[in-house]
Amino acid sequence: QLQLEESGPGLVRPSETLSLNCSVSGDSISSNHWTWMRQPPGKGLEWIGHINYRGSTNYNPSLRSRVTISVDTPKNQFSLKLSSVTAADTAVYYCARAISPWLVQDYWGQGALVTVSS
Amino acid sequence: DIQMTQSPSSLSASVGDRVTITCRASQSISGYLNWYQQKPGKAPKLLIYASSGLQNGVPSRFSGGGSGTDFTLTISSLQPEDFATYYCQQTYTTPQTFGQGTKLEI
Repeated sequence: QLQLEESGPGLVRPSETLSLNCSVSGDSISSNHWTWMRQPPGKGLEWIGHINYRGSTNYNPSLRSRVTISVDTPKNQFSLKLSSVTAADTAVYYCARAISPWLVQDYWGQGALVTVSS
Repeated sequence: DIQMTQSPSSLSASVGDRVTITCRASQSISGYLNWYQQKPGKAPKLLIYASSGLQNGVPSRFSGGGSGTDFTLTISSLQPEDFATYYCQQTYTTPQTFGQGTKLEI
């Protein structure tokens, strides 16, 4: 059974970098696409970006200048870094697997709430 | 970006009712339309992929349809566990985008 689990600090100071990891079990990180999404409290879902098994990335243009998604194949995990955060980046962050050819997210982590506050 | 518009934004229904939620894309997305169910405090759950494909383990009372710009999610006979928020999502092109959600209430 595929499982994904987000981990990282729950509180980040404004202007600093948000960092999250997603540990994957039950599938190889060297296959499929791997996605980060977020959901501000009480609001809808936003696609942040994804990385494929070759390490090729695709980011939301609204965040592209601040976001980096990378893969750590030996650890079977992938990560998200979002720089220069503000209160508007406060959200539940989800990692998910996206399967071809539709790139639909079929398995999700439980989500990690990250609050940006001083 | 492709804009996804769901209607209605909220819906009141009863157990046993048949309900339909619609999703409209701002441009053609072929059949690259997915539906998710989300309950409070939980991650979204994939129900329907590629407009009409039923995800493994999802009850057959859920069905989807449409192509191009207009899509529907139908629940044939509402069960108590179906009261949740539903989102459509296009994966035709990046950035992937979601509808604003439809809250289904008792």
